[in-house]
Formats: sequence, structure tokens, C-alpha cells
Amino acid sequence: AQSVTQLDSHVSVSEGTPVLLRCNYSSSYSPSLFWYVQHPNKGLQLLLKYTSAATLVKGINGFEAEFKKSETSFHLTKPSAHMSDAAEYFCVVSDRAGNQFYFGTGTSLTVIP
Amino acid sequence: DAGITQSPRHKVTETGTPVTLRCHQTENHRYMYWYRQDPGHGLRLIHYSYGVKDTDKGEVSDGYSVSRSKTEDFLLTLESATSSQTSVYFCAISESWRNYGYTFGSGTRLTVV
Repeated sequence: AQSVTQLDSHVSVSEGTPVLLRCNYSSSYSPSLFWYVQHPNKGLQLLLKYTSAATLVKGINGFEAEFKKSETSFHLTKPSAHMSDAAEYFCVVSDRAGNQFYFGTGTSLTVIP
Repeated sequence: DAGITQSPRHKVTETGTPVTLRCHQTENHRYMYWYRQDPGHGLRLIHYSYGVKDTDKGEVSDGYSVSRSKTEDFLLTLESATSSQTSVYFCAISESWRNYGYTFGSGTRLTVV
């Protein structure tokens, strides 16, 4: 079975400092992995995706993530946080057929001015 | 959220009544999904569709049914609403999940009293 674990339910950073949101996955095959962002009272927006190409994936708004098979991790990073980055972030893994996606429980990012 | 619309955006209903939520897309995408979002659970798949009249269950399908008579519409019905179905419901669409992931609607906030 596939699953994802987001290791922090809340992360707080100061504006201009780096962001690290951690995600570990469990899968019996080489998975496809995604990060989504949800701003308050909004739908979810795709930040980036890993689908067995380059292990370092660049997404929108300066975010990137690195797929590390040996560590079963797909952590999301950004060099410098902006106030507009405050949101809920979800790590997602697909099943083998691509019919179902499994969401982590989310990490709430707070950016302190 | 361009190309995908959920209705209604908010609804309050009484226990035991039937409720239907609508998802409408203008992207002609093959795949459509219904998720519910609850604190501490992330998003959980209710049902999904891989074509007109082709649907399948997700991990939390009990108490829900779906129908897809046209490519553009995917209906979610709560046959007899219960308080445990109070949630935010998201519709998502995808043409090729491996390449694009999902596009999400803005959500429907349902309260069962």
C-alpha cells in the first residue's frame, strides 16, 4: 500500500529564511509524487511533481523538491520565504495505476514578518 | 480553478436528507474525482470516474454515490446525510495524471445539522 507521512503539522519561519517541509513516502514501486499548496478558503494548486525523470524537481514560486529513493523522502524547500507562502502544503503519492492519489495530512506554514 | 466549477459553494442540510453536489468541467478531461477534506486527515478519495458511466470507489465511499452521464459533469450524492459527512468536498480533474496531476475546484463546504 502507498502512504505519505508529513513529519511536521506546523512549520513557522521568518520572512527571508529558508523553508523545509518534510515528506516521507511508502511504496512498493517507484512512485509519482506531488506537492500541492492550499491557501485559506481556496482549492489546491499543484506546486511540483516527480514522475521518474530528474530527481531534483523545480516548481512554481521558487519551490523545489528532491526525490531520494534511499531515504524514501520528497522534501519541499525554498531558499527564502515570502509572506505569500503562508498556506497549507500537502505531499501526495499516486497508486501504481495512477487511479488514486494518497494525501498526507498536511503541513501548515506560517511566515513571520 | 479555471475550467472546473463546483456547486453549491456552501450548503447546510438536515440529518437524513439527500444531498447532491455537482462538479462541472470545461476541459474535456477524462478523469474526475471527489475528495473530502477533514482536519487531521488531509484529503481522502470518495469516488472517481475514468469515463462516462465508468466510476469506482475510493477509500471512504460508504454513504456516497456518484454518477457521470456526461464527460463534463460528475455528481456526488449523499443518500441520507449524517453529521459525520460534514466536511469540505473537493472535485478534481485530470487528463493525464502522470504528466499533470490534478486540477482542483474551489470546494463545497457542507454542514449536516
